[in-house]
Amino acid sequence: QVHLVQSGGGVVQPGGSLRLSCAAPRLTLGSYAMHWVRQVPGKGPEWVATISYDGSNPHYADSVRGRFTISADNSKNSLYLQMNSLRTEDTAVYYCARDSAPLPRYYFDHWGQGTLVTVSS
Amino acid sequence: EIVLTQSPGILSLSPGERATLSCRASQNVIYNYLAWYQQKPGQAPRLLISGARSRAAGIPDRFSGSGSGTDFTLTISRLEPEDFAVYFCQQHGSSPWTFGLGTKVEMK
Repeated sequence: QVHLVQSGGGVVQPGGSLRLSCAAPRLTLGSYAMHWVRQVPGKGPEWVATISYDGSNPHYADSVRGRFTISADNSKNSLYLQMNSLRTEDTAVYYCARDSAPLPRYYFDHWGQGTLVTVSS
Repeated sequence: EIVLTQSPGILSLSPGERATLSCRASQNVIYNYLAWYQQKPGQAPRLLISGARSRAAGIPDRFSGSGSGTDFTLTISRLEPEDFAVYFCQQHGSSPWTFGLGTKVEMK
């Protein structure tokens, strides 16, 4: 079982910034594409961002493009999501998730435990 | 954007019964790239099926997926107590990769 451990999250005011982290086992980052997915409680999940195994080709949902940045540091076995210009509609539980392959196939076979981000004044 | 509509919203069944969950797409899902997830309260989703019918590692064979084009089905042949949860479908064929709103399988 692949264990993804998330940190970060919390309460932030609209317009603020937050960085989420996801610690992955060695050989996960650098071997698999990785994603961020968010979910408003009681709703279906929403794909947010993806990065390939080598850190290339980051891409984003329209709702976050230009505000969020996905990155990976293989030396630290960590995935990140930098979130800027946060809006109330960004409030959700955020999950990091592993793809099944080095280049993304866009289904998610292992998930972190999730971290709640609340954007509120 | 492909919109996925899941039905029913709630399915009330007893252990041992068969569960049939539907997921209908607003347009054809490329290569039938349709996944199913199970989610229990306070937990992350768990992958059950990808590519409409391929079970993920460790998933019991009472879970099966079928369908093509715009109509897909998840079947749980005999419900076990641990199967009562919310189930989501997700298309992984075209961007943006979208999810349905879920079907809750509750104990009658």
